[in-house]
Parts: sequence; structure tokens; C-alpha cells
Amino acid sequence: QSALTQPPSASGSPGQSVTISCTGTSSDVGGYNYVSWYQQHPGKAPKLMIYEVSKRPSGVPDRFSGSKSGNTASLTVSGLQAEDEADYYCSSFAGSNIVLFGGGTKLTVL
Amino acid sequence: EVQLVESGGGLVQPGRSLRLSCAASGFTFDDYAMHWVRQAPGKGLEWVSGISWNSGSIGYADSVKGRFTISRDNAKNSLHLQMNSLRAEDTALYYCAKAPGLHDALDLWGQGTMVSVSS
Repeated sequence: QSALTQPPSASGSPGQSVTISCTGTSSDVGGYNYVSWYQQHPGKAPKLMIYEVSKRPSGVPDRFSGSKSGNTASLTVSGLQAEDEADYYCSSFAGSNIVLFGGGTKLTVL
Repeated sequence: EVQLVESGGGLVQPGRSLRLSCAASGFTFDDYAMHWVRQAPGKGLEWVSGISWNSGSIGYADSVKGRFTISRDNAKNSLHLQMNSLRAEDTALYYCAKAPGLHDALDLWGQGTMVSVSS
């Protein structure tokens, strides 16, 4: 059980797009379409932003999108806004009733 | 209102036990799998354990296997985490969360209960 790999930080200016990667293995990210992404503001509980690689829950802006290629999943935030500044975590089902999280990426809106 | 409320956290000495609870309301509890996820101070999220709607499938992180036990009481809409042989590295904010299935995304989280393990 190894954590998924995310860059510790990412940044972009308002209106720009930023992409956060999440790298796993063929036993987790690459093996299942059960990759999800969570947003966490300081002192708050995580919020689901993307599920099943690319689906958005009701209420999540379409500026947030997800994709996957091989063992790497990605979250793209388009048209960056100040309120998008937060920590983002990816997660993947890893079989045998196991779930893995990434180490998290701190997104800064410049 | 759909919500999850954790309780049972506190300060405990290394080697001792603690039992966390999560009260669910506003949704049909036994339609969902449930998970515990923790976050050490200033650190990232770590999945701890998950349980299917009928307790038929259960999973644990290697870091807690053999020490923690997850359970649920569908009649009381509650989730529990029995934590034994606690270590300093178990110090964290513990969240409960629900998901359609064990493999699915965690679509609702509680606000967490803090566990501190220290002598």
C-alpha cells in the first residue's frame, strides 16, 4: 500500500488553467476507473470534486475536469478563481477493499 | 439535513484504546459503504478503513491492520472505529465519510474528531 504521487504544489494566475497529476500503478490508478479528487480548504472537511476519473458531482463547476492515461490521473482547473486556492487530493480504489490517497497538492492562485 | 457527526476523540496514552463513533442522518444509512480517513496535523489525508453496507466487505490500511476494527450498526445509523494499541503516529483528525460502494468516491464527509496519543 503506497500512497499515490502528487506534486506538492501548483500555481496559476486568475483565468489560467492548471493541471495536477496523480501517479499510481497498474494495481490502482491504472487498473480501475475509480479515481476521485477532493478539494480541502484550511480547517474544512474535504469535498468531492471528481469521481470515476472524469465525472462531476452536482454543484461542482465545469471548470473542474478529470482524465486518466495509463497509471496517471489528472485534475485540470480552468479559468482559475481565487476560491480555487486549496489543497487537492487524488484517491483510487486499489482492489481488495483498499483505498489509496495521494499526498496532496497545494494550489496557489497568484 | 444530510450529515455525518463524529465523536469519541480525545487525549489517550500510548498503548491504550479509544472508540470513535459516527452518527449519520438525512440519508438511508444502509444504502452506503462507510469509511474512516485521518489527517495528522499539517499532513495529508490517509485512508484508514472501509466497510460495505452490510459489513460483508471490510478493508484496512496496513498501518492500522490488526489494531483497529471498523463496525457499523445499521439499526442505529452509526459507524464505529475501535482503536487498540494506540501509537503516537495515530494522532490525527479522524473523518468518517460515506460512499455508494467500497470502491466508490467519498461523497460526504463529517467534520472530524481529534485523537491525540501522548504520554
